[in-house]
Amino acid sequence: GENVEQHPSTLSVQEGDSAVIKCTYSDSASNYFPWYKQELGKGPQLIIDIRSNVGEKKDQRIAVTLNKTAKHFSLHITETQPEDSAVYFCAASIRSGGGADGLTFGKGTHLIIQP
Amino acid sequence: NAGVMQNPRHLVRRRGQEARLRCSPMKGHSHVYWYRQLPEEGLKFMVYLQKENIIDESGMPKERFSAEFPKEGPSILRIQQVVRGDSAAYFCASSPKGGEQPQHFGDGTRLSIL
Repeated sequence: GENVEQHPSTLSVQEGDSAVIKCTYSDSASNYFPWYKQELGKGPQLIIDIRSNVGEKKDQRIAVTLNKTAKHFSLHITETQPEDSAVYFCAASIRSGGGADGLTFGKGTHLIIQP
Repeated sequence: NAGVMQNPRHLVRRRGQEARLRCSPMKGHSHVYWYRQLPEEGLKFMVYLQKENIIDESGMPKERFSAEFPKEGPSILRIQQVVRGDSAAYFCASSPKGGEQPQHFGDGTRLSIL
């Protein structure tokens, strides 16, 4: 089955700086890679996703890159703000028009934005 | 639009009792996924259901756990004869189509076993 590794487990950056979180996956059949943000006591909230036919996707301060050959993908947050502090999870799954596997998650990165 | 609704938010059970966790998907969503999250861990997939059908239960423990998504009403995750190791946060996610649409999560049920 799929295995997703995520690092670092904790990341502390100064407000205004950029943050990068990296993930690798094992199953070359995986073709869908979402990122979730989880705040304390809440469920994961989808912040961005990318499909395997795309190498990069950007949404305001958030971007995701995918390298299918190396089987890794990364989340980039620019101009970090205090409200970006949370736990971030990467995930992978196999998706097709007929259905989708459950998501396989990384273990999470605790992002701390220092004022 | 209401999001994915899970209840109860917190559930306390004694060892040997039964726990029932409920999930109402977002309006228009017919695909439901259940995940379990242990402290300081990522979410682990348990089961994927469409209305009245279990599509993939590869992540479900073989004993004591069951799930259903009836034609009417919420999806139910049922844990019989709970043990301390069942203490975790259980999250439900839904999507309108299993293949091409992202999963949206509820805020979970925190299950504590005394």
